[in-house]
Amino acid sequence: QSALAQPPSASGSPGQSVTISCTGTSSDVGGYNYVSWYQQHPGKAPKLMIYEVSKRPSGVPDRFSGSKSGNTASLTVSGLQAEDEADYYCTSYAGSSSYVFGTGTKVTVL
Amino acid sequence: EVQLVESGGGLVQPGESLRLSCAASGFTFRRYWMSWVRQAPGKGLEWVAKMNPDGSERYYVDSVKGRFTISRDNAKNSLYLQTNSLRAEDTAVYYCARDTSACFDNWGQGTLVTVSS
Repeated sequence: QSALAQPPSASGSPGQSVTISCTGTSSDVGGYNYVSWYQQHPGKAPKLMIYEVSKRPSGVPDRFSGSKSGNTASLTVSGLQAEDEADYYCTSYAGSSSYVFGTGTKVTVL
Repeated sequence: EVQLVESGGGLVQPGESLRLSCAASGFTFRRYWMSWVRQAPGKGLEWVAKMNPDGSERYYVDSVKGRFTISRDNAKNSLYLQTNSLRAEDTAVYYCARDTSACFDNWGQGTLVTVSS
């Protein structure tokens, strides 16, 4: 499968919101409600931020929210904080017990 | 606290093999699907393989089918990835991750595999 398409970069000032898109096909993002999002700081392991499109694991601030429309999922970070500066990856179940990741988005807090 | 600790990475030549290990603690390992995910230097994440709780089902990304084998030992709370016929494009940090509800809710710190002559 091809990687899900994400914008290479996104940015916002502290307190603002930033939204990252994740575009796939009807065989992955559009076909299942199994989209998840991960935050990765340099040199660190990824951290789960959103699962099943819009659910937040315990401990993840409610500033992080997820949604999906058709073949495109989105992650919104509201009230940007300095520590939100990181790489963000989406992933989707892609059928046949496989997964596909997004290309990744670097979020910069200006 | 869930902990996943990978080991076994290193520098190998093309065509050689490595066995990666992941030691799990802090949860009932035998009840969970587990996956391996890799990240080439400076690149994005790629799901590699997954295994069901009792080890009877294995799934792989197309690029490693026939070369990599995922396995587990529930008595030792351990997950493994046997990597054979390694290629330069297999160079990456390999993460062990707990796979639940079609997402990866806990990750290890990763182990680096470098394939170079």
